[in-house]
Amino acid sequence: GDSVTQMEGPVTLSEEAFLTINCTYTATGYPSLFWYVQYPGEGLQLLLKATKADDKGSNKGFEATYRKETTSFHLEKGSVQVSDSAVYFCALSDINDYKLSFGAGTTVTVRA
Amino acid sequence: DAGVIQSPRHEVTEMGQEVTLRCKPISGHDYLFWYRQTMMRGLELLIYFNNNVPIDDSGMPEDRFSAKMPNASFSTLKIQPSEPRDSAVYFCASSLDWGSSYEQYFGPGTRLTVT
Repeated sequence: GDSVTQMEGPVTLSEEAFLTINCTYTATGYPSLFWYVQYPGEGLQLLLKATKADDKGSNKGFEATYRKETTSFHLEKGSVQVSDSAVYFCALSDINDYKLSFGAGTTVTVRA
Repeated sequence: DAGVIQSPRHEVTEMGQEVTLRCKPISGHDYLFWYRQTMMRGLELLIYFNNNVPIDDSGMPEDRFSAKMPNASFSTLKIQPSEPRDSAVYFCASSLDWGSSYEQYFGPGTRLTVT
């Protein structure tokens, strides 16, 4: 079945550092890809998404590009802030499967 | 909009007791999802509903778990009897439509501890 693999954390960075979280996927169809973020004590919220190959999703300074040739959707931010400390989840949905499959989550801590 | 509302936010119960978790989806959303989050297994989809009808319950771990959606604005997840291994954070989410580019809106979760 469809699955998502993302880099394990935790990741600890200093403020203004560059952040990359790797995500690769396995799917039989043509999935849409998502990054969700979970701040401490809260539920998940959508950060960005891409629905087809070569699409770039972006929000709050974060970006991810849907790479079909490498089956990847890596999350990047050029300059992180303390407020970016959270757990980040890569996910995919396939219209044929009617489910949202999440990766294990990557905990990111940004130090001032 | 108030977002997805879940209650209670925290629940502590003893093994063997019945536990009922509640969810109010965003008004107008016709899909509702129940997830469980643990350190060991990550985020798991338990069941989802479309227009109050259960569509896929293959993620429900055992017969001790049951979920209902009596109307468009309310759903429950019940565990009877509860066991310590049920301790987790349970999330409810809703979405407006299905299609591969939809967005799910999550509630704040219910942290369940079974002692």
